[in-house]
Amino acid sequence: DAKTTQPPSMDCAEGRAANLPCNHSTISGNEYVYWYRQIHSQGPQYIIHGLKNNETNEMASLIITEDRKSSTLILPHATLRDTAVYYCIVRVGSNSGYALNFGKGTSLLVTP
Amino acid sequence: NAGVTQTPKFQVLKTGQSMTLQCAQDMNHEYMSWYRQDPGMGLRLIHYSVGAGITDQGEVPNGYNVSRSTTEDFPLRLLSAAPSQTSVYFCASEGTSAGELFFGEGSRLTVL
Repeated sequence: DAKTTQPPSMDCAEGRAANLPCNHSTISGNEYVYWYRQIHSQGPQYIIHGLKNNETNEMASLIITEDRKSSTLILPHATLRDTAVYYCIVRVGSNSGYALNFGKGTSLLVTP
Repeated sequence: NAGVTQTPKFQVLKTGQSMTLQCAQDMNHEYMSWYRQDPGMGLRLIHYSVGAGITDQGEVPNGYNVSRSTTEDFPLRLLSAAPSQTSVYFCASEGTSAGELFFGEGSRLTVL
């Protein structure tokens, strides 16, 4: 699976949009971009994933550049409960038996 | 649905002792996996299974055994615990669509 690069930490004011970037310049054509987050010491939680097109769900939006070499996770109205470590992962599709390479992620701090 | 259930949540062992971390899921997922997370690190894959009777090694399999006799259960065995196995262990399962992994709440193991 392709490697990803994320900033180690970011801050965001409560109520503002949090934009978390991720570089994955070696991504292959059949690899998806996944985002997970881990709140404190809990198990990671799936947020969203995409292949080429931008995606949106009730938690977040995922913007993937046209060349697919980078993406941005957007939390439109960050709350204190969004403080967590966010992991950007690329992998071949579901149920493939491939591990998720979590890396160290981005630690997002949402402040009042 | 309970999702992914891990037991025990906390365990203290002495060097050389053996134990089994239990993982059960009630979503009829074929794919299950075990990760470990050390302080300040991302998750690393220990073992995984793509279905009952099928298991394979991940990134850090040494010192651990697994078996998959049923779809629901995927226990992780430590045959002779070592201090280097002090960590938080997460079990995860994945269905055939969406590529979303569901994680348990973790089992915190300390080996003295």
